[in-house]
Amino acid sequence: GDSVTQMEGPVTLSEEAFLTINCTYTATGYPSLFWYVQYPGEGLQLLLKATKADDKGSNKGFEATYRKETTSFHLEKGSVQVSDSAVYFCALCMASYDKVIFGPGTSLSVIP
Amino acid sequence: EPEVTQTPSHQVTQMGQEVILRCVPISNHLYFYWYRQILGQKVEFLVSFYNNEISEKSEIFDDQFSVERPDGSNFTLKIRSTKLEDSAMYFCASSEGQGFIYGYTFGSGTRLTVV
Repeated sequence: GDSVTQMEGPVTLSEEAFLTINCTYTATGYPSLFWYVQYPGEGLQLLLKATKADDKGSNKGFEATYRKETTSFHLEKGSVQVSDSAVYFCALCMASYDKVIFGPGTSLSVIP
Repeated sequence: EPEVTQTPSHQVTQMGQEVILRCVPISNHLYFYWYRQILGQKVEFLVSFYNNEISEKSEIFDDQFSVERPDGSNFTLKIRSTKLEDSAMYFCASSEGQGFIYGYTFGSGTRLTVV
């Protein structure tokens, strides 16, 4: 079945470091791809999305590009802040079903 | 920014008791969902609801679970006889159209603890 794989954490970075969280997917068709973020004690927030190949989603300094050839949607940020400490979930959904399939999540801690 | 609101934020219940988790989706949204996240595990789909009926459900969503939109604004998840393994964070979500295109807005969750 369709699935999402992402690098498992925890990831610990110093403030202002460059962030990459790898995400790859397996799908029978052409999914929409999402990154969700969960701050400590809070719910899931949509961070960014891309609905077709080569689309770049961006928000709050985070970016991810939908790469069909490598079935990837890696999350990047040029300079992380302590406030970016959270769990990041890569996810997909398909036109053929109306639900989100989540990856396992990557915990990020940013230290001053 | 419009929000999906869930109440309560934390509920403790005894095994075998019925529990109702409540959600108020965004007012112009038409599609509604429940997901759960057992501590330390993946977020899992439970059920989707559109036009006053279930459109899809997972194998987790057995006869112990039911959903309802009783009054046009609330969307509830009922667990008839809770088990220890029902302890999880339950997220409600809504979408104004097909989530494939519009994306999903999630609530902040209800942490259910079954003792």
